[in-house]
Amino acid sequence: EPEVTQTPSHQVTQMGQEVILRCVPISNHLYFYWYRQILGQKVEFLVSFYNNEISEKSEIFDDQFSVERPDGSNFTLKIRSTKLEDSAMYFCASRGRGSRTETGANVLTFGAGSRLTVL
Amino acid sequence: DQQVKQNSPSLSVQEGRISILNCDYTNSMFDYFLWYKKYPAEGPTFLISISSIKDKNEDGRFTVFLNKSAKHLSLHIVPSQPGDSAVYFCAARPLNTDKLIFGTGTRLQVFP
Repeated sequence: EPEVTQTPSHQVTQMGQEVILRCVPISNHLYFYWYRQILGQKVEFLVSFYNNEISEKSEIFDDQFSVERPDGSNFTLKIRSTKLEDSAMYFCASRGRGSRTETGANVLTFGAGSRLTVL
Repeated sequence: DQQVKQNSPSLSVQEGRISILNCDYTNSMFDYFLWYKKYPAEGPTFLISISSIKDKNEDGRFTVFLNKSAKHLSLHIVPSQPGDSAVYFCAARPLNTDKLIFGTGTRLQVFP
C-alpha cells in the first residue's frame, strides 16, 4: 500500500538553529499538508499546499516556517530559527483528487511523523 | 472558536464488548467529521467519516453517530478486538476549508 515517508524520524537541535523536515508524499497525490502534535496536546493544522503554493495556513505557521516542493517528489517544512516551543511531532500528509470517502470527505494519508526536540 | 473535544483520555473495554468513544464540538460550521486511529510510531490512519447532513454512518464493526442538536459525535466499535487498541482522534472539517481540527484523542485498550 502506498505510504507517506518522513525523514528524519527524530531530530534534536539547539534553539535558534534551522531545521528541515522532509516528506515524500504518495506519488500521484496533489494536496500536501503539515500538522504537528505537541506532547500531550491535540494534532494541529499548520499548512496546506497545492499547485506549488500555500492554499491555507494556521496562526502557528508564522514567518519562521516555510514549505517547499523542490523537486516534484519531496515536500519539506523548514523552521528558520527553532524555539523551545517548536518541540513536537510533525506529521506530513497528502491526498489525491480522488481521495474521498463515500460520504464525500477528503481522506488524508499521514506519515509516521518526525519528532523534533529543541534544546 | 472552532473546537473539537474528546473529554475521555482513555477507555478500557473487554474483547467482544462495545467500545463507545465520544467527541463534542463547539460550533456548527463543520461539514464533515472523521475518526482517525493511531498506533504508536505510526501516523493517524483514516477510519470512518460522516457528513454533517447525516446522523449515522456504518462500516463493518464501526458506526459513527452524529447528534447535531447536542453537537456530539460518537464512534461505536462492536465487537471490540484487541487489535483495536490504539488512540482514536475525532476530527472535523470547517466549511470551505481544507484543514482538519482534531480532538486530543482517546486511548482505547481492549483486553481479553
